[in-house]
Amino acid sequence: DIQMTQSSSPLSASVGDRVTITCRASQSISRFLNWYQQNPGKAPKLLIYAASSLQSGIPSRFSGSGSGTDFTLTISSLQPEDFATYYCQQTYFTPWTFGQGTKVDIK
Amino acid sequence: EVHLVQSGAEVKKPGESLKISCRGSGYNFVDYWIAWVRQMPGRGLEWMGIVYPADSDTRYSPSFQGQITISADKSINTAFLQWNSLKASDTAIYYCARHSGSGSFSGDSWGQGTLVTVSS
Repeated sequence: DIQMTQSSSPLSASVGDRVTITCRASQSISRFLNWYQQNPGKAPKLLIYAASSLQSGIPSRFSGSGSGTDFTLTISSLQPEDFATYYCQQTYFTPWTFGQGTKVDIK
Repeated sequence: EVHLVQSGAEVKKPGESLKISCRGSGYNFVDYWIAWVRQMPGRGLEWMGIVYPADSDTRYSPSFQGQITISADKSINTAFLQWNSLKASDTAIYYCARHSGSGSFSGDSWGQGTLVTVSS
């Protein structure tokens, strides 16, 4: 299986901060990398697909970058509704594994 | 509008069987993979497996192979997740998610989740 390792959790930040979450794959996954946001008690929501493509309806303050084994999710200016847990997922090989999650909480 | 609607919460005893469902609407059901994802209390997301409703092609995570059965009935636009003998450790929320059949295979639409509680 491909292992996905994310930034340490929790990540403490303030409204307006620029936040960066990293995700590393145990082998190259090209750009088959997706980012999801999950709020407590809710289903995950797709933010970014194919490493850097913004899902329809997602605010432009979210962006993704990377290829191969190293990827980044950036929130340019953190908003109150962005305090949540973020997961990366590789879809290069089955099983389509998730990272362990990075919780962004209030500093 | 795309919707995935999952069956309701279940309370079961260890050793019992269970089949939960995920019904898709608003899109061509056979053109997308349906994945099942487990989330144990207070924990992260775990990918269990996928099914392609067009031909019932199914793939499992090695962590869940032999413990569950994933299937789909394209005539009723519904995917299923089944256990023959539940354990207390199967207590979790189970999500289904639609994944594109090509490109990045991203999960762009998710069900609301089904809470399964297994307790004696």
